Amino acid sequence: NAGVTQTPKFQVLKTGQSMTLQCAQDMNHNSMYWYRQDPGMGLRLIYYSASEGTTDKGEVPNGYNVSRLNKREFSLRLESAAPSQTSVYFCATRGSNTEAFFGQGTRLTVV
Amino acid sequence: AQSVTQLDSHVSVSEGTPVLLRCNYSSSYSPSLFWYVQHPNKGLQLLLKYTSAATLVKGINGFEAEFKKSETSFHLTKPSAHMSDAAEYFCVVSDFSGSARQLTFGSGTQLTVLP
Repeated sequence: NAGVTQTPKFQVLKTGQSMTLQCAQDMNHNSMYWYRQDPGMGLRLIYYSASEGTTDKGEVPNGYNVSRLNKREFSLRLESAAPSQTSVYFCATRGSNTEAFFGQGTRLTVV
Repeated sequence: AQSVTQLDSHVSVSEGTPVLLRCNYSSSYSPSLFWYVQHPNKGLQLLLKYTSAATLVKGINGFEAEFKKSETSFHLTKPSAHMSDAAEYFCVVSDFSGSARQLTFGSGTQLTVLP
Protein backbone atom coordinates (compact mmCIF):
# COMPACT_ATOMS: atom_id res chain seq x y z
CA ASN A 1 0.00 0.00 0.00
CA ALA A 2 2.66 2.49 -1.10
CA GLY A 3 0.39 5.35 -2.30
CA VAL A 4 2.68 7.77 -4.15
CA THR A 5 6.33 6.82 -4.61
CA GLN A 6 9.00 9.25 -5.78
CA THR A 7 12.55 8.43 -6.77
CA PRO A 8 15.20 9.48 -6.05
CA LYS A 9 14.89 11.04 -2.58
CA PHE A 10 18.04 13.12 -2.95
CA GLN A 11 20.08 14.26 -5.95
CA VAL A 12 22.98 16.60 -6.60
CA LEU A 13 23.50 17.76 -10.18
CA LYS A 14 26.04 19.97 -11.87
CA THR A 15 24.78 22.90 -13.92
CA GLY A 16 23.82 21.69 -17.39
CA GLN A 17 23.27 18.06 -16.45
CA SER A 18 19.96 16.37 -17.10
CA MET A 19 17.87 14.05 -14.98
CA THR A 20 14.40 12.58 -14.66
CA LEU A 21 12.38 12.46 -11.46
CA GLN A 22 10.09 9.46 -11.31
CA CYS A 23 6.65 9.24 -9.71
CA ALA A 24 4.36 6.24 -9.49
CA GLN A 25 0.97 5.84 -7.81
CA ASP A 26 -1.06 2.78 -6.97
CA MET A 27 -4.27 4.65 -6.11
CA ASN A 28 -5.86 4.41 -9.58
CA HIS A 29 -6.25 8.20 -9.72
CA ASN A 30 -6.56 10.04 -13.01
CA SER A 31 -4.91 13.33 -12.03
CA MET A 32 -1.23 13.68 -11.25
CA TYR A 33 0.81 16.78 -10.43
CA TRP A 34 4.38 17.99 -10.02
CA TYR A 35 5.11 20.79 -7.56
CA ARG A 36 8.24 22.52 -6.37
CA GLN A 37 8.60 23.87 -2.86
CA ASP A 38 10.81 26.83 -2.06
CA PRO A 39 11.09 28.63 1.30
CA GLY A 40 8.36 31.20 1.85
CA MET A 41 6.58 30.37 -1.42
CA GLY A 42 4.47 27.35 -0.61
CA LEU A 43 4.14 24.76 -3.33
CA ARG A 44 3.99 25.93 -6.93
CA LEU A 45 2.56 23.83 -9.73
CA ILE A 46 5.01 22.91 -12.49
CA TYR A 47 2.92 20.59 -14.67
CA TYR A 48 -0.14 18.45 -14.25
CA SER A 49 -1.89 15.62 -16.05
CA ALA A 50 -5.65 15.24 -15.91
CA SER A 51 -5.55 11.76 -17.41
CA GLU A 52 -3.29 9.35 -19.24
CA GLY A 53 -2.02 10.94 -22.44
CA THR A 54 -2.66 14.57 -21.44
CA THR A 55 -0.37 17.12 -19.79
CA ASP A 56 -0.69 20.85 -19.11
CA LYS A 57 1.55 23.61 -17.87
CA GLY A 58 1.18 24.96 -14.40
CA GLU A 59 2.50 28.14 -12.84
CA VAL A 60 6.25 27.53 -13.30
CA PRO A 61 6.85 25.16 -16.26
CA ASN A 62 9.98 26.75 -17.78
CA GLY A 63 12.98 24.44 -17.80
CA TYR A 64 10.93 21.28 -17.28
CA ASN A 65 9.21 18.63 -19.35
CA VAL A 66 6.86 15.86 -18.30
CA SER A 67 5.64 12.50 -19.54
CA ARG A 68 2.49 10.70 -18.47
CA LEU A 69 3.73 7.23 -19.38
CA ASN A 70 0.56 5.44 -18.27
CA LYS A 71 -2.07 5.89 -15.60
CA ARG A 72 0.41 5.02 -12.83
CA GLU A 73 3.50 7.00 -13.80
CA PHE A 74 4.24 10.70 -14.29
CA SER A 75 7.86 11.75 -14.76
CA LEU A 76 9.49 15.18 -14.61
CA ARG A 77 12.60 15.90 -16.68
CA LEU A 78 15.18 18.63 -16.33
CA GLU A 79 17.02 18.83 -19.64
CA SER A 80 19.73 21.27 -18.56
CA ALA A 81 19.72 21.87 -14.83
CA ALA A 82 20.26 25.38 -13.45
CA PRO A 83 20.98 26.51 -9.86
CA SER A 84 17.51 28.15 -9.82
CA GLN A 85 16.03 24.66 -10.01
CA THR A 86 17.45 23.77 -6.62
CA SER A 87 14.31 22.90 -4.71
CA VAL A 88 12.23 20.15 -3.16
CA TYR A 89 9.96 18.48 -5.70
CA PHE A 90 6.69 16.80 -4.82
CA CYS A 91 4.54 14.54 -6.91
CA ALA A 92 0.84 14.30 -6.06
CA THR A 93 -2.19 12.41 -7.22
CA ARG A 94 -5.88 13.07 -6.88
CA GLY A 95 -9.13 11.29 -7.59
CA SER A 96 -12.52 12.88 -8.23
CA ASN A 97 -13.59 15.18 -5.39
CA THR A 98 -10.87 13.98 -3.07
CA GLU A 99 -7.86 15.51 -1.47
CA ALA A 100 -4.42 15.21 -3.01
CA PHE A 101 -1.97 12.58 -1.85
CA PHE A 102 1.71 13.48 -1.90
CA GLY A 103 4.93 11.60 -2.26
CA GLN A 104 7.75 12.09 0.21
CA GLY A 105 9.60 14.54 -2.02
CA THR A 106 12.89 14.75 -3.92
CA ARG A 107 15.50 17.16 -2.61
CA LEU A 108 17.46 18.43 -5.62
CA THR A 109 20.58 20.56 -5.44
CA VAL A 110 22.11 22.04 -8.59
CA VAL A 111 25.68 23.28 -8.15
CA ALA B 1 -8.44 32.45 -11.07
CA GLN B 2 -8.07 31.13 -7.56
CA SER B 3 -5.70 32.30 -4.86
CA VAL B 4 -4.93 31.75 -1.21
CA THR B 5 -3.52 34.19 1.33
CA GLN B 6 -2.13 32.97 4.62
CA LEU B 7 -2.08 36.06 6.74
CA ASP B 8 0.79 35.09 9.06
CA SER B 9 4.09 33.60 7.94
CA HIS B 10 5.04 32.73 11.54
CA VAL B 11 2.90 32.08 14.63
CA SER B 12 4.27 31.34 18.12
CA VAL B 13 2.13 29.99 20.94
CA SER B 14 2.80 28.48 24.33
CA GLU B 15 2.01 24.84 24.92
CA GLY B 16 -1.57 24.48 26.15
CA THR B 17 -2.81 27.74 24.63
CA PRO B 18 -5.11 28.09 21.59
CA VAL B 19 -3.86 28.07 18.02
CA LEU B 20 -5.28 30.27 15.24
CA LEU B 21 -3.84 30.12 11.71
CA ARG B 22 -5.58 32.46 9.30
CA CYS B 23 -6.43 31.82 5.65
CA ASN B 24 -8.37 33.83 3.08
CA TYR B 25 -9.15 32.59 -0.40
CA SER B 26 -10.60 33.73 -3.69
CA SER B 27 -12.30 31.44 -6.17
CA SER B 28 -14.57 31.76 -9.17
CA TYR B 29 -16.60 28.70 -8.26
CA SER B 30 -17.66 26.88 -5.12
CA PRO B 31 -14.27 25.79 -3.88
CA SER B 32 -12.97 22.87 -1.94
CA LEU B 33 -10.57 23.91 0.81
CA PHE B 34 -7.91 21.98 2.64
CA TRP B 35 -5.33 22.35 5.38
CA TYR B 36 -2.13 20.33 5.13
CA VAL B 37 0.68 20.02 7.66
CA GLN B 38 4.35 19.43 6.92
CA HIS B 39 6.79 18.42 9.62
CA PRO B 40 10.49 19.10 9.01
CA ASN B 41 11.90 17.13 6.08
CA LYS B 42 8.64 15.27 5.64
CA GLY B 43 5.88 15.11 3.05
CA LEU B 44 2.47 16.76 3.34
CA GLN B 45 -0.29 15.29 5.46
CA LEU B 46 -3.95 16.23 5.19
CA LEU B 47 -5.37 17.78 8.38
CA LEU B 48 -8.90 18.44 7.19
CA LYS B 49 -11.02 19.31 4.16
CA TYR B 50 -14.14 21.28 3.27
CA THR B 51 -16.11 20.08 0.25
CA SER B 52 -19.48 21.92 0.53
CA ALA B 53 -20.95 19.90 3.37
CA ALA B 54 -20.86 21.18 6.99
CA THR B 55 -19.13 24.53 7.32
CA LEU B 56 -17.37 23.52 10.56
CA VAL B 57 -14.89 20.83 9.69
CA LYS B 58 -13.10 18.66 12.23
CA GLY B 59 -9.75 17.13 11.39
CA ILE B 60 -7.05 15.04 12.92
CA ASN B 61 -5.15 15.82 16.14
CA GLY B 62 -7.87 18.14 17.49
CA PHE B 63 -7.74 20.70 14.67
CA GLU B 64 -10.82 22.23 13.13
CA ALA B 65 -11.64 24.93 10.59
CA GLU B 66 -14.73 26.95 9.74
CA PHE B 67 -15.69 27.86 6.17
CA LYS B 68 -17.11 31.39 6.07
CA LYS B 69 -18.26 32.25 2.58
CA SER B 70 -19.18 35.85 3.43
CA GLU B 71 -15.65 36.47 4.71
CA THR B 72 -13.93 34.15 2.17
CA SER B 73 -12.04 32.67 5.09
CA PHE B 74 -11.06 29.19 6.25
CA HIS B 75 -9.14 29.69 9.49
CA LEU B 76 -7.56 26.74 11.31
CA THR B 77 -7.92 26.44 15.08
CA LYS B 78 -6.99 24.14 17.93
CA PRO B 79 -8.04 24.71 21.56
CA SER B 80 -4.75 23.63 23.14
CA ALA B 81 -1.37 23.47 21.40
CA HIS B 82 0.97 20.52 21.87
CA MET B 83 4.70 20.48 21.26
CA SER B 84 4.17 17.99 18.44
CA ASP B 85 2.06 20.59 16.56
CA ALA B 86 5.19 22.55 15.66
CA ALA B 87 5.31 22.37 11.85
CA GLU B 88 4.45 24.30 8.71
CA TYR B 89 0.81 24.54 7.73
CA PHE B 90 -0.58 25.15 4.27
CA CYS B 91 -4.04 26.33 3.30
CA VAL B 92 -5.06 25.03 -0.13
CA VAL B 93 -7.94 25.86 -2.46
CA SER B 94 -9.17 23.58 -5.21
CA ASP B 95 -10.96 24.93 -8.24
CA PHE B 96 -11.35 24.19 -11.92
CA SER B 97 -8.61 25.67 -14.08
CA GLY B 98 -7.64 24.25 -17.42
CA SER B 99 -8.38 20.60 -17.89
CA ALA B 100 -8.40 19.55 -14.26
CA ARG B 101 -9.19 20.70 -10.79
CA GLN B 102 -6.03 22.41 -9.63
CA LEU B 103 -4.73 22.96 -6.15
CA THR B 104 -3.39 26.38 -5.25
CA PHE B 105 -1.26 26.62 -2.10
CA GLY B 106 -0.82 29.46 0.30
CA SER B 107 2.72 30.45 1.19
CA GLY B 108 2.57 28.60 4.50
CA THR B 109 2.51 29.44 8.21
CA GLN B 110 5.31 28.20 10.45
CA LEU B 111 3.90 27.29 13.86
CA THR B 112 6.28 27.35 16.82
CA VAL B 113 5.11 25.89 20.16
CA LEU B 114 6.97 27.17 23.20
CA PRO B 115 7.31 25.06 26.35
